[in-house]
Amino acid sequence: EVQLVESGGGLVQPGGSLRLSCAASGFIFDDYAMHWVRQAPGKGLEWVSGISWNSGSIGYADSVKGRKGRFTISRDNAKNSLYLQMSSLRAEDTALYYCAKGLGQWLVSGVDYWGQGALVTVSS
Amino acid sequence: QSVLTQPPSASGTPGQRVTISCSGSSSNIGSNYVSWYQQLPGTAPKLLIYRNNQRPSGVPDRFSGSKSGTSASLAISGLRSEDEADYYCAAWDDSLSGYWVFGGGTKLTVL
Repeated sequence: EVQLVESGGGLVQPGGSLRLSCAASGFIFDDYAMHWVRQAPGKGLEWVSGISWNSGSIGYADSVKGRKGRFTISRDNAKNSLYLQMSSLRAEDTALYYCAKGLGQWLVSGVDYWGQGALVTVSS
Repeated sequence: QSVLTQPPSASGTPGQRVTISCSGSSSNIGSNYVSWYQQLPGTAPKLLIYRNNQRPSGVPDRFSGSKSGTSASLAISGLRSEDEADYYCAAWDDSLSGYWVFGGGTKLTVL
């Protein structure tokens, strides 16, 4: 059974940083791309970032790129884990952040399984 | 403002067939596969359709997907009360360096 468990969410002040983690199990982690998708309270889904099976292809939504790249996605295949380092956080980054498993090795293949999400609240 | 356009709401009575549309452009739906997700209240999204019209194992055949040009549709036949949920379409967009885009979501009400 595929399981994706996010952690690291919480309350952070504007301009602060936070690191999300996703522990994966029930499938061969390094065979699949992984993604972060967020959902602001009462709003729809927004893709944040994705990383291919071998970390060779990485993509970000414009909203998190910024001038210096506000968010950084990474993975550790030895630990079956996905990460999202978030910095220069803004109020509009407040959302439930889902970790999602890719349908294939590359970003273009989409996602099938989703975790339960980690809530990130950016507020002073 | 979502890149993919869905109607904000849809409704039907039990047993009825309803369709939800998703409109995009040549850089997303027009050149890539479409996926559909169901999100029940308070839960994570669930994959219903991938590659335009493929159902993952466990998804009832009451759910079907189709694509034509830059538009796609999700059809639900034999509507049931438990189908009341938010539905999202998604596709890869080839513009810029590539990214995933979602529709704004359609709230389906079973009357």
